[in-house]
Amino acid sequence: DAGVTQSPTHLIKTRGQQVTLRCSPKSGHDTVSWYQQALGQGPQFIFQYYEEEERQRGNFPDRFSGHQFPNYSSELNVNALLLGDSALYLCASSLGGTGGETQYFGPGTRLLVL
Amino acid sequence: GESVGLHLPTLSVQEGDNSIINCAYSNSASDYFIWYKQESGKGPQFIIDIRSNMDKRQGQRVTVLLNKTVKHLSLQIAATQPGDSAVYFCAEKKPKATGNQFYFGTGTSLTVIP
Repeated sequence: DAGVTQSPTHLIKTRGQQVTLRCSPKSGHDTVSWYQQALGQGPQFIFQYYEEEERQRGNFPDRFSGHQFPNYSSELNVNALLLGDSALYLCASSLGGTGGETQYFGPGTRLLVL
Repeated sequence: GESVGLHLPTLSVQEGDNSIINCAYSNSASDYFIWYKQESGKGPQFIIDIRSNMDKRQGQRVTVLLNKTVKHLSLQIAATQPGDSAVYFCAEKKPKATGNQFYFGTGTSLTVIP
């Protein structure tokens, strides 16, 4: 049973560039949430996708956008990168609807913005 | 406001002793809580969860206690082992109209001394 997978594992970008991160949910899961984790901090919720739509969003600017595909995989896009966007980006999958809120995390993508 | 905080940022215990990690939450509407373990360079790993209609739940070597009166959550690890060394996060979920959103604390770093 495959767990949550993310790609790439590491990424280096420069300010102003755009980046796309990818996530495949745990087998059987249909909901994907994205988090940003700065060094020494807890994960901060970015947004959640269910049925290919953004269901909920945290306090992040519109530079952060996402997409969910019919196979439930998801992408996180960040435009106009800032130095402060350097962080570990985590994807978590879960089952939508009631009773299945437990979120399982992937290993993350480490993004460094220079 | 909404916040999840930890009483102690670091904790050192002797191998074989029991560990207790505490967490305070401020949102009385939160109905679901999860403890995660995060090792260096990895994504958070699910340990144990508890719903707000319970006050105690036990797993393998771990117990979570929930005190809704004082909005306090704790994780107890029995017979702590060197492999338990990691950062531990509590996460709370406040239900929203559509989807769920988790709030994470800063984390407690547990070091097990052999």
